[in-house]
Amino acid sequence: KAGVTQTPRYLIKTRGQQVTLSCSPISGHRSVSWYQQTPGQGLQFLFEYFSETQRNKGNFPGRFSGRQFSNSRSEMNVSTLELGDSALYLCASSLLPSGNTGELFFGEGSRLTVL
Amino acid sequence: GIQVEQSPPDLILQEGANSTLRCNFSDSVNNLQWFHQNPWGQLINLFYIPSGTKQNGRLSATTVATERYSLLYISSSQTTDSGVYFCAVETRSNYQLIWGAGTKLIIKP
Repeated sequence: KAGVTQTPRYLIKTRGQQVTLSCSPISGHRSVSWYQQTPGQGLQFLFEYFSETQRNKGNFPGRFSGRQFSNSRSEMNVSTLELGDSALYLCASSLLPSGNTGELFFGEGSRLTVL
Repeated sequence: GIQVEQSPPDLILQEGANSTLRCNFSDSVNNLQWFHQNPWGQLINLFYIPSGTKQNGRLSATTVATERYSLLYISSSQTTDSGVYFCAVETRSNYQLIWGAGTKLIIKP
């Protein structure tokens, strides 16, 4: 059974550009959540999608957005990149949505560097 | 909001030693999970443990929800146990996952 797949694994962008990250959950999982990990702020919740609907959103500016497709694959987009957006972006999949005892399984992450 | 505190922040042990990592949380939670992040950044789910005790090989975890803490025990440490251990709790108010700052564990051969 394939795990959670995130692409790309590494990428370098410059300030002002935008980036799209992709996450394919474990087969059969319909919940996908995204997290940002930085040395200064640690792990922070970005948003959660379940059955193509955003269920939950963390405290991030509107430059951070996401969506989920009918096959449960999810993308997150960051527009007008800032230096502080440099981070490891982690995607997790779960059989059940949050609030319903959903155990999380993580991908290897996408490491974004903004120059 | 809910606070999640992990201790100790850093731990250096010799191979074969045992260790106990602690996670305190400031409010009631829906669930609690322990993760291990390896040096390449991969987060591995160790335990889903809102309450009670679970064991998986050399690792075990106990959560006392009424006293708002959880413990992760690692016995007979191996160098592959090195990495950062995180606990994360799901809040009852908005079901968001709040993370502790982690315990960085280094196992020396």
